[in-house]
Amino acid sequence: DSGVTQTPKHLITATGQRVTLRCSPRSGDLSVYWYQQSLDQGLQFLIQYYNGEERAKGNILERFSAQQFPDLHSELNLSSLELGDSALYFCASSVNERTPAQYFGPGTRLTVL
Amino acid sequence: AQSVTQLGSHVSVSEGALVLLRCNYSSSVPPYLFWYVQYPNQGLQLLLKYTSAATLVKGINGFEAEFKKSETSFHLTKPSAHMSDAAEYFCAVSASNTGFQKLVFGTGTRLLVSP
Repeated sequence: DSGVTQTPKHLITATGQRVTLRCSPRSGDLSVYWYQQSLDQGLQFLIQYYNGEERAKGNILERFSAQQFPDLHSELNLSSLELGDSALYFCASSVNERTPAQYFGPGTRLTVL
Repeated sequence: AQSVTQLGSHVSVSEGALVLLRCNYSSSVPPYLFWYVQYPNQGLQLLLKYTSAATLVKGINGFEAEFKKSETSFHLTKPSAHMSDAAEYFCAVSASNTGFQKLVFGTGTRLLVSP
């Protein structure tokens, strides 16, 4: 158990809908990262937050957004969902933005029908 | 930009045999390197990390990896495979001179262990 929690574990929804994925980092970690794992794209970095502020963006679609709250939990919002958004979404955390080691949560499996 | 190449999408070994999973990286700045393991329907677990200290890094579950700058490699080894080692293994690189440390992953190697 890495100490990173993610909810829900599974999410099934329809095209065009909007969902919110939640992540709580390890106790004491200030930096949160979101990754997407799909069969065709592999593991891709989406976005990073540090202590409430966005720090870096990767291959994140404009339909996706995220935020980190004062209690350091983070949410990833996915809207206008398409079939191709079906994937595993992982949250990871690290002590700060310069610490390279990241600890991953169990993931949320999103299925868009 | 950083990248990672994992040679072999599948590696099969017998229980008790040597495990060798290959990883080569590309980075314009000194890298940090990682191996993660993913068991079916689970998240990624950090096996070991190289962060510019000792070049031979020992991790959990008997795994180790050696950073070889001249070969741009960070291969993962374990002297004796166990059935419980069957999983997917990802090599990742992180390198930044701007402060943040996103991970760039390889495509993964599935380790199959036969009795």
